Amino acid sequence: QKEVEQNSGPLSVPEGAIASLNCTYSDRGSQSFFWYRQYSGKSPELIMFIYSNGDKEDGRFTAQLNKASQYVSLLIRDSQPSDSATYLCAVNYSGNTGKLIFGQGTTLQVKP
Amino acid sequence: GAGVSQSPRYKVAKRGQDVALRCDPISGHVSLFWYQQALGQGPEFLTYFQNEAQLDKSGLPSDRFFAERPEGSVSTLKIQRTQQEDSAVYLCASSSGRNEKLFFGSGTQLSVL
Repeated sequence: QKEVEQNSGPLSVPEGAIASLNCTYSDRGSQSFFWYRQYSGKSPELIMFIYSNGDKEDGRFTAQLNKASQYVSLLIRDSQPSDSATYLCAVNYSGNTGKLIFGQGTTLQVKP
Repeated sequence: GAGVSQSPRYKVAKRGQDVALRCDPISGHVSLFWYQQALGQGPEFLTYFQNEAQLDKSGLPSDRFFAERPEGSVSTLKIQRTQQEDSAVYLCASSSGRNEKLFFGSGTQLSVL
């Protein structure tokens, strides 16, 4: 059974610090990897996607992928209280579709 | 429309009642997905449409769940004879079909009493 694992947290960091969120996945055939942010009571919002090994940066966000270790992470630099949310890691196993396997999410708390 | 629209936003059903949840995707999006999100969990895939064709329904938990998209736009997820374990948020998402970037609606929170 294909699985995506995340620590549920909460992960608490002070404002201005780097938040590091981690995710592991079970299937080496995984093709694409996504990070969604979900505020309480709201729908998931795509913030990053990565397809190739290495780092991908977008503003304060950096996604890191290591396929050999089956590991994907999200770094948030200069964390702000508005970053407080649940971050969902999602993996696509089946090609160019939106059929994703989500982790349970990590709750991030950024304290002023 | 500007985004994916779902209705109703909240639905309370008595056990055994049938419910219908509506999704209006972003205009022009050919791909439509339904996900189920239990409290404290990540979304779980239910079913996928490309235009009017239901290409994957492997995530539907039982034959009480049925989805349709007859004209390739609006979709309805129907749950027959609801059970308490059906209580969850039902999320609809659409994409242009050329990639997996999903745009989610606000969801329907279903509570079965």
